Amino acid sequence: GENVEQHPSTLSVQEGDSAVIKCTYSDSASNYFPWYKQELGKRPQLIIDIRSNVGEKKDQRIAVTLNKTAKHFSLHITETQPEDSAVYFCAASKGGSQGNLIFGKGTKLSVKP
Amino acid sequence: DTAVSQTPKYLVTQMGNDKSIKCEQNLGHDTMYWYKQDSKKFLKIMFSYNNKELIINETVPNRFSPKSPDKAHLNLHINSLELGDSAVYFCASSQDSPKGEQYFGPGTRLTVT
Repeated sequence: GENVEQHPSTLSVQEGDSAVIKCTYSDSASNYFPWYKQELGKRPQLIIDIRSNVGEKKDQRIAVTLNKTAKHFSLHITETQPEDSAVYFCAASKGGSQGNLIFGKGTKLSVKP
Repeated sequence: DTAVSQTPKYLVTQMGNDKSIKCEQNLGHDTMYWYKQDSKKFLKIMFSYNNKELIINETVPNRFSPKSPDKAHLNLHINSLELGDSAVYFCASSQDSPKGEQYFGPGTRLTVT
């Protein structure tokens, strides 16, 4: 089955710096790659996603890149702010109704003011 | 209006008891899920279910069983609770295909003493 590795497990940056979180996946049939943000005590919420027919997607300060050949994808956050502090999860799934999301183990991002 | 709701929010019970967690979504989604998030924040899929098929993660003990009275509800029943079942349980839902955003409920923190 699918296996998703996520690095680093913790990341501390200064406010205004960029943060990069990387994930690799094992199943070449996976074609949907979302990123979720989970603030302390809250539910995970989707912040951006990418599908296998796209190499890069951007939404304001957040971008995701996908390299299908190497089977890895990354989350980039620019101009980080203290409210970006949270746990970020990458995930991968296949298409179709039973393509369950397999999550990485999460990255705890701390943005210091 | 809450998109995905769960009850109860907190559940404290003793080993050996049987308990249920309820989940409801008002998004008209086809598929619902249960996830377990342990103390290390790992998010693991337990079940996915739509009106056609139940997919069970093979690592889930058969003490756990999902029950869906209708398309908008997926309840989680747990028999003979064990200490290791202590975790936060999240319900989620999504549109079936193409694979899209999963909307998570607020979570139920289960503590087994």
